[in-house]
Amino acid sequence: ETGVTQTPRHLVMGMTNKKSLKCEQHLGHNAMYWYKQSAKKPLELMFVYSLEERVENNSVPSRFSPECPNSSHLFLHLHTLQPEDSALYLCASSQNHRPQGELFFGEGSRLTVL
Amino acid sequence: QKEVEQDPGPLSVPEGAIVSLNCTYSNSAFQYFMWYRQYSRKGPELLMYTYSSGNKEDGRFTAQVDKSSKYISLFIRDSQPSDSATYLCAIFNQGGKLIFGQGTELSVKP
Repeated sequence: ETGVTQTPRHLVMGMTNKKSLKCEQHLGHNAMYWYKQSAKKPLELMFVYSLEERVENNSVPSRFSPECPNSSHLFLHLHTLQPEDSALYLCASSQNHRPQGELFFGEGSRLTVL
Repeated sequence: QKEVEQDPGPLSVPEGAIVSLNCTYSNSAFQYFMWYRQYSRKGPELLMYTYSSGNKEDGRFTAQVDKSSKYISLFIRDSQPSDSATYLCAIFNQGGKLIFGQGTELSVKP
């Protein structure tokens, strides 16, 4: 069983749809992250949760809504997305948030917005 | 100025070649440096990390930090087709955040 599991691996949605991405970590870590990866661009940090509390929100549009019900699960709720939101969304976890150590990534959810 | 800059490539080399991957960074106070490797359709995984200046070697991989030039490198000796991946440098900034470069796509041809 991989350390960080993301579902679905691929998602195609229209601009008016509502969908959710799910992430689960089996490493006993205290911090979880959502990153956006677009072609030829650096990884963009979207949200950080530490012990289920959101500690960082990097000016992400409100059409992205994170949820962390417990330290093992993280969701990213999507609604009324734009085509430019098409990207690979990566979930990651680390032992702690401060200091931030090694990140363990999931395989990502490839999102296409039509 | 971006905190971390990396040439996205792509870089194509023949099998057995020595590969040099590089990043520059903006702040001389940065001290922790990492290299992540990302295979196609996979998430990044930590390959190596170094602290401050100098070299660190792990098998065919060597990570090098030149703080005077604000330049970090990853060398791959005797490159193999299985090394084909995107390599991302990452640096802890003064706020304790991990800042990633764009990633360099490497292809090693048999």
